[in-house]
Amino acid sequence: EADIYQTPRYLVIGTGKKITLECSQTMGHDKMYWYQQDPGMELHLIHYSYGVNSTEKGDLSSESTVSRIRTEHFPLTLESARPSHTSQYLCASSGLRTSASYEQYFGPGTRLTVT
Amino acid sequence: KNQVEQSPQSLIILEGKNCTLQCNYTVSPFSNLRWYKQDTGRGPVSLTIMTFSENTKSNGRYTATLDADTKQSSLHITASQLSDSASYICVVSDRGSTLGRLYFGRGTQLTVWP
Repeated sequence: EADIYQTPRYLVIGTGKKITLECSQTMGHDKMYWYQQDPGMELHLIHYSYGVNSTEKGDLSSESTVSRIRTEHFPLTLESARPSHTSQYLCASSGLRTSASYEQYFGPGTRLTVT
Repeated sequence: KNQVEQSPQSLIILEGKNCTLQCNYTVSPFSNLRWYKQDTGRGPVSLTIMTFSENTKSNGRYTATLDADTKQSSLHITASQLSDSASYICVVSDRGSTLGRLYFGRGTQLTVWP
């Protein structure tokens, strides 16, 4: 079981509210990722980080922002939540090279519902 | 365009039976292929990872195969258990990606009935 944590696990919030989804890992991994997943659909990369003070946008355009001030912490923020942001958000980290690529470990996810 | 396609979309089997899930990909240049198990409301957990030179890998009752020439993989589950009910996701990584970025299939939703 990987040591990567996400809070909250479930969040129901009204339109226009600011929210922050927390992600922490205790494995000392350099690389961290945020994915968005809708029911029955594939995971889409929305943000990633190579390390402290590094953040990049992923393949799927997202109105969210991220920060990486500490190695172990990679929070995602939505300044003004909208119903279109309703989705599952998965955080992952990697840092151990396995079979020529980096194994990614996933957190349990945050199920966000914007009403 | 790099893509990963999985079939069937969903599958129902009886406890104790075997099943095989399929994955076709167009990701190039290929680095490795992984199978993940995702329980409802949870994050994916890695089952197997195979590189270009590996054509089979087992993890308990799970056996994955890879044909890099035809760009196909399968995941065989033996003697299924109720706890095998989950989504099984095929994930391919390209060789040019130092980040370790992954291409995800939509998954096969497996339901095991008693």
